[in-house]
Amino acid sequence: DAGVIQSPRHEVTEMGQEVTLRCKPISGHNSLFWYRQTMMRGLELLIYFNNNVPIDDSGMPEDRFSAKMPNASFSTLKIQPSEPRDSAVYFCASLRDNYNEQFFGPGTRLTVL
Amino acid sequence: ELKVEQNPLFLSMQEGKNYTIYCNYSTTSDRLYWYRQDPGKSLESLFVLLSNGAVKQEGRLMASLDTKARLSTLHITAAVHDLSATYFCAVDNDMRFGAGTRLTVKP
Repeated sequence: DAGVIQSPRHEVTEMGQEVTLRCKPISGHNSLFWYRQTMMRGLELLIYFNNNVPIDDSGMPEDRFSAKMPNASFSTLKIQPSEPRDSAVYFCASLRDNYNEQFFGPGTRLTVL
Repeated sequence: ELKVEQNPLFLSMQEGKNYTIYCNYSTTSDRLYWYRQDPGKSLESLFVLLSNGAVKQEGRLMASLDTKARLSTLHITAAVHDLSATYFCAVDNDMRFGAGTRLTVKP
């Protein structure tokens, strides 16, 4: 099992550019979570999906952020336009209902200049 | 709004000593998670606690949950250097994480 896969692992972009982060959950897992981690704010849940449906997006900071899960094996988190304050490590995690253990991907380190 | 508080936030301990990390949360929940994060790395699941009174142990770490007190503890026995990391608790309602406890074990 390859675990949760995220790409890219590192992204450096300029303010105003569009950024797309990608996640492939573990096969068979039907819940997927996007988190953001910064020194100032710690680890924050942005949005989570269950069976490809967004269940709670109350953590999405603002309209510049959007997330999709078109199928069970792929999700994207998009920031448009990006701002320096979006610089953080973005983690994707997945779990299989009733098993409860959540598996995290390696993260994407985003730097917005 | 659910609040999750961990203490201490920083913990420096000597090898061989015992210590406890505390995780308090503000609303009812019957699920609590503990994770470990090494510097520059992702989070690794340590324990999933699903009911009041649940206790789980793995090596030198033992976690417990008291849902009535809204408290979970992570007890470290005879610490070794390899346990140096940041430990997070998270509460299920909306997967809200505590701020983390940065543990350093010194020889």
